[in-house]
Amino acid sequence: DAGVIQSPRHEVTEMGQEVTLRCKPISGHDYLFWYRQTMMRGLELLIYFNNNVPIDDSGMPEDRFSAKMPNASFSTLKIQPSEPRDSAVYFCASTTTSGRSNEQFFGPGTRLTVL
Amino acid sequence: SQQGEEDPQALSIQEGENATMNCSYKTSINNLQWYRQNSGRGLVHLILIRSNEREKHSGRLRVTLDTSKKSSSLLITASRAADTASYFCATDRNFNKFYFGSGTKLNVKP
Repeated sequence: DAGVIQSPRHEVTEMGQEVTLRCKPISGHDYLFWYRQTMMRGLELLIYFNNNVPIDDSGMPEDRFSAKMPNASFSTLKIQPSEPRDSAVYFCASTTTSGRSNEQFFGPGTRLTVL
Repeated sequence: SQQGEEDPQALSIQEGENATMNCSYKTSINNLQWYRQNSGRGLVHLILIRSNEREKHSGRLRVTLDTSKKSSSLLITASRAADTASYFCATDRNFNKFYFGSGTKLNVKP
């Protein structure tokens, strides 16, 4: 398996623009997570899905953020409109409940810069 | 907050020395995991210890858990330059909602 795939790897945009981050989890994994990492706040859980259904979105900072998982192999995190304080590295991770370990597998991240 | 906090924030050692990192958390947990993050990369799982376990080994890694003190430690023995990375503990109360600490940045000098 190729692991968790994220795109784009880098995104530079201007304030006010819409940004869409994409994630393909590992095949067979039934949980998908979106995290944001900054120097100031560390690694924060934004939202997670189980079997494509959002379970907990309490970490989503504002209504400007939205996430979807239309099927088991694809998820998006959208920011509209973007602001400079959204600049961060966004990680997607997946895991499965079929094993004893709930080890999370992380993608390489998307580095977002909002000017 | 249940968030784990690592200590120290940064650690610099010579190759061959042992490195010890600590993690403290606030509420009861099911599992505690340690992850490594190399610069510019995603996190990679190292080891999991369950709340009913006290110690676990994996290669050069040794993890301890003291639930009475709500703390864990990660020991890397005979460190190598390739161990240079940030190390995070992650705790979960339910199966999948993880809380990550702020990490310990380890620098192993060759």
